[in-house]
Amino acid sequence: DAEITQSPRHKITETGRQVTLACHQTWNHNNMFWYRQDLGHGLRLIHYSYGVQDTNKGEVSDGYSVSRSNTEDLPLTLESAASSQTSVYFCASSGRTGESYNEQFFGPGTRLTVL
Amino acid sequence: GDSVTQMEGPVTLSEEAFLTINCTYTATGYPSLFWYVQYPGEGLQLLLKATKADDKGSNKGFEATYRKETTSFHLEKGSVQVSDSAVYFCALSDQGYSTLTFGKGTMLLVSP
Repeated sequence: DAEITQSPRHKITETGRQVTLACHQTWNHNNMFWYRQDLGHGLRLIHYSYGVQDTNKGEVSDGYSVSRSNTEDLPLTLESAASSQTSVYFCASSGRTGESYNEQFFGPGTRLTVL
Repeated sequence: GDSVTQMEGPVTLSEEAFLTINCTYTATGYPSLFWYVQYPGEGLQLLLKATKADDKGSNKGFEATYRKETTSFHLEKGSVQVSDSAVYFCALSDQGYSTLTFGKGTMLLVSP
Protein backbone atom coordinates (compact mmCIF):
# COMPACT_ATOMS: atom_id res chain seq x y z
CA ASP A 1 0.00 0.00 0.00
CA ALA A 2 1.12 3.53 -0.72
CA GLU A 3 2.05 5.57 2.31
CA ILE A 4 3.79 8.64 3.61
CA THR A 5 6.41 8.21 6.35
CA GLN A 6 8.31 10.62 8.55
CA SER A 7 11.50 10.16 10.51
CA PRO A 8 12.44 10.46 13.22
CA ARG A 9 9.14 10.31 15.09
CA HIS A 10 10.67 12.05 18.10
CA LYS A 11 13.73 14.29 18.26
CA ILE A 12 15.34 16.29 21.03
CA THR A 13 18.01 18.79 20.04
CA GLU A 14 19.79 21.84 21.38
CA THR A 15 19.45 25.47 20.41
CA GLY A 16 21.64 26.38 17.45
CA ARG A 17 21.99 22.90 16.01
CA GLN A 18 20.98 22.04 12.45
CA VAL A 19 18.17 19.50 12.27
CA THR A 20 16.71 17.69 9.27
CA LEU A 21 13.33 15.97 9.34
CA ALA A 22 12.68 13.40 6.64
CA CYS A 23 9.48 12.84 4.67
CA HIS A 24 9.03 10.04 2.13
CA GLN A 25 5.92 9.22 0.12
CA THR A 26 5.16 6.32 -2.18
CA TRP A 27 1.90 7.75 -3.58
CA ASN A 28 3.77 9.16 -6.61
CA HIS A 29 2.28 12.54 -5.71
CA ASN A 30 3.51 15.73 -7.34
CA ASN A 31 2.79 17.99 -4.38
CA MET A 32 4.37 17.83 -0.93
CA PHE A 33 3.86 20.05 2.09
CA TRP A 34 5.31 20.68 5.56
CA TYR A 35 3.16 21.96 8.43
CA ARG A 36 3.74 22.64 12.09
CA GLN A 37 1.04 22.07 14.67
CA ASP A 38 0.91 24.15 17.82
CA LEU A 39 -1.77 24.48 20.46
CA GLY A 40 -4.00 27.43 19.67
CA HIS A 41 -2.71 27.76 16.12
CA GLY A 42 -3.90 24.63 14.36
CA LEU A 43 -1.73 23.68 11.38
CA ARG A 44 0.41 26.28 9.69
CA LEU A 45 2.12 25.80 6.34
CA ILE A 46 5.93 26.04 6.39
CA HIS A 47 7.03 25.13 2.85
CA TYR A 48 5.60 23.27 -0.11
CA SER A 49 6.66 21.85 -3.46
CA TYR A 50 4.72 21.22 -6.66
CA GLY A 51 7.42 19.01 -8.18
CA VAL A 52 11.10 18.22 -8.47
CA GLN A 53 13.29 21.34 -8.09
CA ASP A 54 10.24 23.42 -7.10
CA THR A 55 9.92 24.89 -3.59
CA ASN A 56 7.72 27.64 -2.16
CA LYS A 57 7.48 29.46 1.15
CA GLY A 58 4.43 29.12 3.31
CA GLU A 59 3.01 31.17 6.13
CA VAL A 60 5.78 30.44 8.67
CA SER A 61 8.91 29.72 6.62
CA ASP A 62 11.50 31.76 8.54
CA GLY A 63 14.25 29.51 9.92
CA TYR A 64 13.28 26.54 7.72
CA SER A 65 14.38 25.31 4.30
CA VAL A 66 13.44 22.47 1.96
CA SER A 67 14.80 20.96 -1.24
CA ARG A 68 13.14 18.57 -3.70
CA SER A 69 15.57 16.41 -5.64
CA ASN A 70 13.14 13.58 -6.43
CA THR A 71 9.40 12.91 -6.38
CA GLU A 72 9.36 10.84 -3.20
CA ASP A 73 11.21 13.02 -0.67
CA LEU A 74 10.94 16.51 0.82
CA PRO A 75 13.32 16.92 3.78
CA LEU A 76 12.76 19.88 6.10
CA THR A 77 15.87 21.54 7.55
CA LEU A 78 16.02 23.82 10.56
CA GLU A 79 19.21 25.76 9.92
CA SER A 80 19.78 26.80 13.54
CA ALA A 81 17.16 25.36 15.86
CA ALA A 82 15.39 27.74 18.25
CA SER A 83 13.13 26.97 21.21
CA SER A 84 10.25 28.57 19.30
CA GLN A 85 10.54 25.71 16.81
CA THR A 86 9.53 23.15 19.39
CA SER A 87 6.44 21.69 17.76
CA VAL A 88 4.89 18.71 16.02
CA TYR A 89 5.74 18.66 12.32
CA PHE A 90 3.55 17.02 9.70
CA CYS A 91 4.38 16.20 6.13
CA ALA A 92 1.62 15.78 3.54
CA SER A 93 1.31 15.02 -0.15
CA SER A 94 -1.33 15.34 -2.87
CA GLY A 95 -1.82 15.27 -6.57
CA ARG A 96 -1.45 11.85 -8.18
CA THR A 97 -2.65 12.06 -11.74
CA GLY A 98 -6.36 11.34 -11.93
CA GLU A 99 -7.11 12.24 -8.33
CA SER A 100 -8.28 15.45 -6.75
CA TYR A 101 -5.32 17.76 -6.52
CA ASN A 102 -6.64 19.25 -3.30
CA GLU A 103 -6.91 16.10 -1.17
CA GLN A 104 -3.84 15.85 1.03
CA PHE A 105 -2.55 12.70 2.74
CA PHE A 106 -0.65 13.17 5.98
CA GLY A 107 2.27 11.44 7.62
CA PRO A 108 2.26 10.43 11.31
CA GLY A 109 4.22 13.49 12.47
CA THR A 110 7.56 14.25 14.12
CA ARG A 111 7.63 15.69 17.63
CA LEU A 112 10.62 18.03 17.88
CA THR A 113 11.85 19.50 21.15
CA VAL A 114 14.52 22.22 21.12
CA LEU A 115 16.21 22.73 24.49
CA GLY B 1 -6.34 36.26 2.50
CA ASP B 2 -8.15 33.00 3.06
CA SER B 3 -9.18 32.06 6.57
CA VAL B 4 -11.19 29.41 8.41
CA THR B 5 -12.90 29.90 11.75
CA GLN B 6 -14.02 27.00 13.89
CA MET B 7 -15.84 26.89 17.18
CA GLU B 8 -13.58 26.67 20.21
CA GLY B 9 -13.39 23.40 22.06
CA PRO B 10 -13.38 21.11 23.75
CA VAL B 11 -16.84 19.87 22.88
CA THR B 12 -17.92 17.36 25.49
CA LEU B 13 -20.80 14.98 24.70
CA SER B 14 -22.30 11.78 25.95
CA GLU B 15 -22.44 8.76 23.67
CA GLU B 16 -25.36 8.88 21.19
CA ALA B 17 -25.69 12.66 21.44
CA PHE B 18 -26.01 14.88 18.35
CA LEU B 19 -22.87 16.67 17.24
CA THR B 20 -22.44 19.99 15.48
CA ILE B 21 -19.07 21.68 14.98
CA ASN B 22 -19.37 25.06 13.32
CA CYS B 23 -17.03 26.20 10.56
CA THR B 24 -17.12 29.41 8.54
CA TYR B 25 -14.66 30.56 5.93
CA THR B 26 -13.40 33.55 4.00
CA ALA B 27 -12.00 33.02 0.52
CA THR B 28 -11.52 35.05 -2.63
CA GLY B 29 -12.63 32.43 -5.13
CA TYR B 30 -14.72 29.27 -5.08
CA PRO B 31 -12.90 27.03 -2.64
CA SER B 32 -13.12 23.33 -1.96
CA LEU B 33 -13.95 22.57 1.67
CA PHE B 34 -12.71 19.75 3.85
CA TRP B 35 -13.03 18.22 7.28
CA TYR B 36 -10.00 16.37 8.60
CA VAL B 37 -9.86 14.30 11.79
CA GLN B 38 -6.83 13.68 14.01
CA TYR B 39 -6.94 10.80 16.48
CA PRO B 40 -4.57 10.95 19.47
CA GLY B 41 -0.95 10.49 18.46
CA GLU B 42 -1.69 10.29 14.75
CA GLY B 43 -1.59 12.45 11.64
CA LEU B 44 -4.63 13.98 10.00
CA GLN B 45 -7.03 11.93 7.91
CA LEU B 46 -9.52 13.29 5.42
CA LEU B 47 -13.04 12.79 6.80
CA LEU B 48 -15.12 14.37 4.05
CA LYS B 49 -15.06 17.08 1.42
CA ALA B 50 -17.25 19.22 -0.84
CA THR B 51 -16.08 20.98 -3.96
CA LYS B 52 -18.98 23.26 -4.90
CA ALA B 53 -21.92 25.07 -3.40
CA ASP B 54 -24.75 22.87 -2.02
CA ASP B 55 -22.59 19.74 -2.18
CA LYS B 56 -22.91 17.48 0.84
CA GLY B 57 -19.88 15.52 1.93
CA SER B 58 -20.46 12.44 4.07
CA ASN B 59 -18.43 9.66 5.64
CA LYS B 60 -18.69 7.38 8.71
CA GLY B 61 -22.01 9.00 9.71
CA PHE B 62 -20.61 12.53 9.53
CA GLU B 63 -22.06 15.09 7.14
CA ALA B 64 -21.33 18.66 6.08
CA THR B 65 -23.03 20.84 3.48
CA TYR B 66 -21.24 23.55 1.51
CA ARG B 67 -23.31 26.72 2.09
CA LYS B 68 -22.02 29.51 -0.11
CA GLU B 69 -24.65 32.01 1.05
CA THR B 70 -23.52 31.73 4.66
CA THR B 71 -19.88 30.76 3.86
CA SER B 72 -20.24 27.78 6.18
CA PHE B 73 -19.40 24.07 6.27
CA HIS B 74 -20.70 22.80 9.61
CA LEU B 75 -19.91 19.22 10.62
CA GLU B 76 -22.77 17.10 12.00
CA LYS B 77 -23.30 13.57 13.25
CA GLY B 78 -26.55 12.20 14.55
CA SER B 79 -25.18 9.87 17.22
CA VAL B 80 -21.57 10.11 18.37
CA GLN B 81 -19.53 7.23 19.75
CA VAL B 82 -16.63 7.17 22.19
CA SER B 83 -14.40 6.27 19.23
CA ASP B 84 -15.23 9.64 17.63
CA SER B 85 -13.17 11.41 20.29
CA ALA B 86 -10.54 13.31 18.29
CA VAL B 87 -9.59 16.75 17.02
CA TYR B 88 -11.53 17.93 13.97
CA PHE B 89 -10.12 20.46 11.51
CA CYS B 90 -12.03 22.43 8.91
CA ALA B 91 -9.97 23.48 5.89
CA LEU B 92 -10.28 25.11 2.51
CA SER B 93 -8.38 25.09 -0.73
CA ASP B 94 -8.84 27.88 -3.21
CA GLN B 95 -9.75 26.85 -6.75
CA GLY B 96 -6.68 25.96 -8.78
CA TYR B 97 -4.37 25.79 -5.77
CA SER B 98 -3.17 22.78 -3.82
CA THR B 99 -2.41 24.44 -0.50
CA LEU B 100 -4.83 24.12 2.41
CA THR B 101 -5.80 26.75 4.96
CA PHE B 102 -6.82 25.15 8.26
CA GLY B 103 -8.94 26.26 11.16
CA LYS B 104 -7.46 25.91 14.65
CA GLY B 105 -9.19 22.60 15.31
CA THR B 106 -11.96 21.53 17.69
CA MET B 107 -11.41 18.78 20.21
CA LEU B 108 -14.34 16.40 20.69
CA LEU B 109 -14.57 14.30 23.84
CA VAL B 110 -17.29 11.64 24.00
CA SER B 111 -17.99 9.87 27.27
CA PRO B 112 -19.82 6.54 27.68
